[in-house]
Amino acid sequence: DTAVSQTPKYLVTQMGNDKSIKCEQNLGHDTMYWYKQDSKKFLKIMFSYNNKELIINETVPNRFSPKSPDKAHLNLHINSLELGDSAVYFCASSQDRYSSTDTQYFGPGTRLTVL
Amino acid sequence: DQQVKQNSPSLSVQEGRISILNCDYTNSMFDYFLWYKKYPAEGPTFLISISSIKDKNEDGRFTVFLNKSAKHLSLHIVPSQPGDSAVYFCAASNTGSARQLTFGSGTQLTVLP
Repeated sequence: DTAVSQTPKYLVTQMGNDKSIKCEQNLGHDTMYWYKQDSKKFLKIMFSYNNKELIINETVPNRFSPKSPDKAHLNLHINSLELGDSAVYFCASSQDRYSSTDTQYFGPGTRLTVL
Repeated sequence: DQQVKQNSPSLSVQEGRISILNCDYTNSMFDYFLWYKKYPAEGPTFLISISSIKDKNEDGRFTVFLNKSAKHLSLHIVPSQPGDSAVYFCAASNTGSARQLTFGSGTQLTVLP
């Protein structure tokens, strides 16, 4: 049983296109996240979302938007893709982001390549 | 501004010996620390964590030590096995209205048979 899953695993697209990455978790968690792993291998938070509140990292361009049809899904939409968007994107989920011992569980990642 | 630092990009250890991975942090508001293991083409897998109210947490072959005064934590793996070869990320979260993880850049551990 895959706890946090993402599709697609690989995504190759042209500059200027709009694309989406899907994420689903079957852990019953309340909060989901999107991270970007950059060329220096740092994992950086992009969004944190539960059904009440979206927290956006201020460095994330507004071309990126999370969309959540329900508690188990958080999709990432990217408009007008740029070369610098090429990276690996990870989805994660956790039980309660306000808990002092909250632990996040990650999906397998989506490697996005913008040509 | 790197708030979580893993200064060793790589570490090689002989099978059966101890692996020690180090992590330093600068933000004194961090109060929960986690280690993740990552294999190529997979997502990070949670390994072990420690709250700032403790200085040690053990789970099987894995032990995490926290030295708050030095703002330093370490992960010990004893005995090391070839299957432990992976990238290990240190992460920290801080008290506040909503927790976010801040990650280090990772250490590639290679356990030699």
